[in-house]
Amino acid sequence: DAGVIQSPRHEVTEMGQEVTLRCKPISGHNSLFWYRQTMMRGLELLIYFNNNVPIDDSGMPEDRFSAKMPNASFSTLKIQPSEPRDSAVYFCASSPGLGYGYTFGSGTRLTVV
Amino acid sequence: GNSVTQMEGPVTLSEEAFLTINCTYTATGYPSLFWYVQYPGEGLQLLLKATKADDKGSNKGFEATYRKETTSFHLEKGSVQVSDSAVYFCALTGNTGKLIFGQGTTLQVKP
Repeated sequence: DAGVIQSPRHEVTEMGQEVTLRCKPISGHNSLFWYRQTMMRGLELLIYFNNNVPIDDSGMPEDRFSAKMPNASFSTLKIQPSEPRDSAVYFCASSPGLGYGYTFGSGTRLTVV
Repeated sequence: GNSVTQMEGPVTLSEEAFLTINCTYTATGYPSLFWYVQYPGEGLQLLLKATKADDKGSNKGFEATYRKETTSFHLEKGSVQVSDSAVYFCALTGNTGKLIFGQGTTLQVKP
């Protein structure tokens, strides 16, 4: 199994531009999670999906952030417009169900200048 | 709500020293408990887990026991190596399936 695949690994963009992060979960995992990691705030859960349906998006910081999961094998996290304070490492994770723990991708390091 | 509290780091040890990283939690019901490890520049990896009281999770020489009476899940290793240097996260999931993390503890092992 290739694990959870995220792309790109690194993204540098100018303030105001749209950014799209991508994630392919492990086949058969029915839950998908987006996290953001910064030095100041640690790991924050942004949103999670179960069977492609968004269950809890209370962690999404503001309307500039949106996430979709059009099918079981693909999810996107979009930031529009991006701001310097969005700079962070964004992780995607998937899980086969309760109690199993998550498998994380390698993350996307986003820098907004 | 559910929460996890870890001891603050960094923890600095010499090679072959004994390691303990404290973790306590607050949760309703019967959560599952986890330790994750993050090496520099990488994502988080599941280190070990325990799903019910008195269970002991173990992996790569690390151990942690689910203590319901003290709401704790402390991570231990008898003899650390330089390669164990990383950030360690304690976490729990409740009945919603959401993984709630502690703030992480940085471990530095010196030769």
